[in-house]
This record gives sequence, structure tokens and C-alpha cells, in this order.
Amino acid sequence: DAGITQSPRHKVTETGTPVTLRCHQTENHRYMYWYRQDPGHGLRLIHYSYGVKDTDKGEVSDGYSVSRSKTEDFLLTLESATSSQTSVYFCAISESGGYETQYFGPGTRLLVL
Amino acid sequence: GEDVEQSLFLSVREGDSSVINCTYTDSSSTYLYWYKQEPGAGLQLLTYIFSNMDMKQDQRLTVLLNKKDKHLSLRIADTQTGDSAIYFCAESLGGGADGLTFGKGTHLIIQP
Repeated sequence: DAGITQSPRHKVTETGTPVTLRCHQTENHRYMYWYRQDPGHGLRLIHYSYGVKDTDKGEVSDGYSVSRSKTEDFLLTLESATSSQTSVYFCAISESGGYETQYFGPGTRLLVL
Repeated sequence: GEDVEQSLFLSVREGDSSVINCTYTDSSSTYLYWYKQEPGAGLQLLTYIFSNMDMKQDQRLTVLLNKKDKHLSLRIADTQTGDSAIYFCAESLGGGADGLTFGKGTHLIIQP
């Protein structure tokens, strides 16, 4: 299995509070991704990174920000959590993007009350 | 635009073959993937196929690609209870880093 960890694995928070999810990889892969998984929607891309300090928006980026200050860490922040952001969040990595396969972390279950 | 469609459920008897179907709309897709997700777990890559191929076989798994109809299928031979999971079809446009587009997933249910 690719060396990808996510923390926390489970979190319950209240509407309006900030939340940061962390993805950590030990593979030294250049590309990292955040997806959310919701019933009836499959997985949807939130943000991705193609290098340290290089990030871009995905399909459902509103309400989320990301940062990547080191190759191994990709942070996803919900500045002010809303109930619509209750979801399972998956991080993925890819060695060179594009043609390369993406490998997924175990996921973080977030509940916003 | 990009869209990947899958049926939501498939029920098969243990020992039979399972065929999970997927259609995609973007003709510029370069790689197509099948991922498996077991309950409470992340996504596990099963196999992938490059768009210039028609078929790929890997042990019990066979992937068929019909580019004309933009149709992808995953056949699992001799389906076992451990195959019970959600199967996702995904496409990558390639040449860039902007992630994968996933279908909603097919729940494979195994009957004894």
C-alpha cells in the first residue's frame, strides 16, 4: 500500500468552526489531491497540488482552502464549517499526475452539526 | 463536459461472473480506471486501461473498452463473497494533473 495517512480519521465539529484535515505521504510523490465522497455523488475533486506551494481548484472548491508547504503534507481547511460539508474526505497521491495512477488514503469522516 | 455513468447496484450469485458497466462522455480521456471500495475503507486501485487498448486481463479481472460507444466494462470471473464492495469507474484526461472524474459507483452484492 502507498504510504498515505490522513488525520484525524474521524471528527465531529459545529457549524461555523474552522477545521483542518491533514494528508501525509511518505512516497515523495509530486501530486496530491483532496476529494470528498457523498452518497449519490461518488468522489468529487476539491483541490489539488502539483508541487510545494502550487495548488489549484477542483470541481467543488467553494468553502475550502489548501496549503502545501512541504512535499509530504497537504492540508485541507474549512474556514467556517457548514452542515453541507459533512462528508468523507479522501486524499490521493500521484507520482507525476496525468497518466499516473492515483493512490488513496484511508479517508476522514467529518460530521458538522 | 465530463461525466461518468454507472448503474448503482448489481446482484450476482457466488461463483458466477460479474460484469460492471460504465459509460463516459469525454472522448479525450486517455486512461480509464477501476477502483474498489470496501465498507469503511479507502479506494483500492484494481486495474486501468489506456485508451488505445481494447482489452486488458489480470487474473480474474477483464476490462473491455469500446471507444466508439465510450463504454467500459469490468468482468470479475468466479465472483466470491470478498468481491462484495463498491466499484468505481474513473477517467483521466491525461497530460495534466487535474485529478480523476469518478462515476457514482456500483454496489456489487453477492448472493450465496
